[in-house]
Parts: sequence; structure tokens; C-alpha cells
Amino acid sequence: AQSVAQPEDQVNVAEGNPLTVKCTYSVSGNPYLFWYVQYPNRGLQFLLKYITGDNLVKGSYGFEAEFNKSQTSFHLKKPSALVSDSALYFCAVRDDDGANNLFFGTGTRLTVIP
Amino acid sequence: IAGITQAPTSQILAAGRRMTLRCTQDMRHNAMYWYRQDLGLGLRLIHYSNTAGTTGKGEVPDGYSVSRANTDDFPLTLASAVPSQTSVYFCASSSRWGLNEQFFGPGTRLTVL
Repeated sequence: AQSVAQPEDQVNVAEGNPLTVKCTYSVSGNPYLFWYVQYPNRGLQFLLKYITGDNLVKGSYGFEAEFNKSQTSFHLKKPSALVSDSALYFCAVRDDDGANNLFFGTGTRLTVIP
Repeated sequence: IAGITQAPTSQILAAGRRMTLRCTQDMRHNAMYWYRQDLGLGLRLIHYSNTAGTTGKGEVPDGYSVSRANTDDFPLTLASAVPSQTSVYFCASSSRWGLNEQFFGPGTRLTVL
């Protein structure tokens, strides 16, 4: 069965500092991994995905994520945080078994402090 | 250009009442999904549809039903609402089975009293 863990409910970072939001996953086959962001009272917005290929994936708004198969991780990163990056971030995974169910983590609230 | 629209935006409902949440997309996506978002639990898939005319059960389907009569619409029905169905409901769609990202609607906040 697929599952996703986001070990931190809350991450605080100073504006201009690098940020990392952690995600680990469990699937039986090859993983397809996604990051989404949710601003208050809005739906989720897609940031980036890993399907295959280069382990470093670049996405929207300067975010990137690194797929690490040995550690089963897909951490979201950004070199320099902005106050406007403050939001709720979700990691999601699906297996390559043909089913389309996307499993989401419980979310990490990122607060960028001015 | 609307993307995905959901209605209503919010609703307060008495327990036992029937309620249909509406979802419409104008992107001609084949696949559509319904999720509920609860604090501390993230998003959980309720039902999905790979293409018009087909539906499937997700992680938490009990108490909910869906239909997919055409490509654009994917309504979610609560036949007899219970307080545990108080949640924020999101509809989503994607252009191809599995690999492409899902696009989300703005959500419906439902309170069952």
C-alpha cells in the first residue's frame, strides 16, 4: 500500500534563508511523486512532480525537490525563502501499478518570518 | 477560463438531509476526483472517475456516491448527511490517467449539524 509521511507539521524559516520541507514515501513499485501548495481558503496548486529521470526536479516559484530512492524521500527545497511562500505544503505519491489513487501526506505549514 | 468550479462555496446542513456538491471542469480532462480535507489528516480520496461513464471508490467512499454522465461534470452526493461528514471537499481533474498533475477546484466547506 502507498503512504506518505511529512514528519513536520510546522516549519519556520527566516526570509532569505533556504527552506526544506520533508517528505518520505512508501510504495510497492516505482513511485510517482508530487508536491502541492495550498494558500488560505484556496484549492491545492501543483508545484512539481517526479515521474522518472533526473533526481532533481525543478518546479514553479523557484521550488525544487530531490528524489532519493535509497532514503525513499522527496524533500521540497528553495534556496531563498520569501514571505509569500508561507502556505500549507502537501507531498503526494502514487504507485505505478496502474491504479490512479494519489495518496497525500498530512501537510506541513511553512511560515517565512520577515 | 474557469478551470474547475465547485458549488456551493459553503453549506450548513442538518443531519439526515441529502446534499449534492457540484463540480464542473472546462479543460476536457478525462479523469476527475473528489477529496475531503480534514485537519491533521490531509486529503483523502473519496471517489474517482477515469473517464465519462466510469467511477471508482477511493480511500473513504462510505456515505458518498458519484456519477459521471459526461466529461465535464462530476457531482458528489451525500444521501443522508452525518456530522462526521463535516469537512472541506475538493474536486480535481487531470488530463491523463495517472501521470499528469491534478488541478483542484476552490473547495466546498460543508458543516453537518
